[in-house]
Amino acid sequence: SQQGEEDPQALSIQEGENATMNCSYKTSINNLQWYRQNSGRGLVHLILIRSNEREKHSGRLRVTLDTSKKSSSLLITASRAADTASYFCATDFSGYALNFGKGTSLLVTP
Amino acid sequence: DGGITQSPKYLFRKEGQNVTLSCEQNLNHDAMYWYRQDPGQGLRLIYYSQIVNDFQKGDIAEGYSVSREKKESFPLTVTSAQKNPTAFYLCASSLEGNQPQHFGDGTRLSIL
Repeated sequence: SQQGEEDPQALSIQEGENATMNCSYKTSINNLQWYRQNSGRGLVHLILIRSNEREKHSGRLRVTLDTSKKSSSLLITASRAADTASYFCATDFSGYALNFGKGTSLLVTP
Repeated sequence: DGGITQSPKYLFRKEGQNVTLSCEQNLNHDAMYWYRQDPGQGLRLIYYSQIVNDFQKGDIAEGYSVSREKKESFPLTVTSAQKNPTAFYLCASSLEGNQPQHFGDGTRLSIL
């Protein structure tokens, strides 16, 4: 079952702008992960945030987690054309497998 | 270089035919997974395996079968019982069940 749900479904911005996408989920989690998928390729892991963490950074990526609201956000700063991809959140609540959302499709135009 | 290799990249299935998708990893990961992705959709879990000779059904296991005889290999068979097999199939692996997953580049399966 797909527990995570990303918002918006699609996002179009210009290079240099920031991109923010959100993920909401339904049950308590152990951790939440964000992945990127370029067209026709496999997913690439971006960042993992544990349930006891509130914010995490990796390069131009910033992830926040609010367990009281059951939501997370991914911020990509100073977007580049190469950031064009679909972004998925994945939640772990079983310890055995991840549940992926339907993704946010990001288009960054020069 | 360590990674996951899926083959073939494209596969065509005739009516009533079983086909097998290959997935091999050299990351020494214990856990492996198979997902199905339909256009504009997220990933749906078909099967997963946490250890050799053991595997569990995911959300959409009907019409699929797997084996895990070696740590490195987790092949997926799409049987003739799967009536709508056209999709993009992704294999992944991780050290443990809730750790970051590494993905192959997928197999696109179509019906002839």
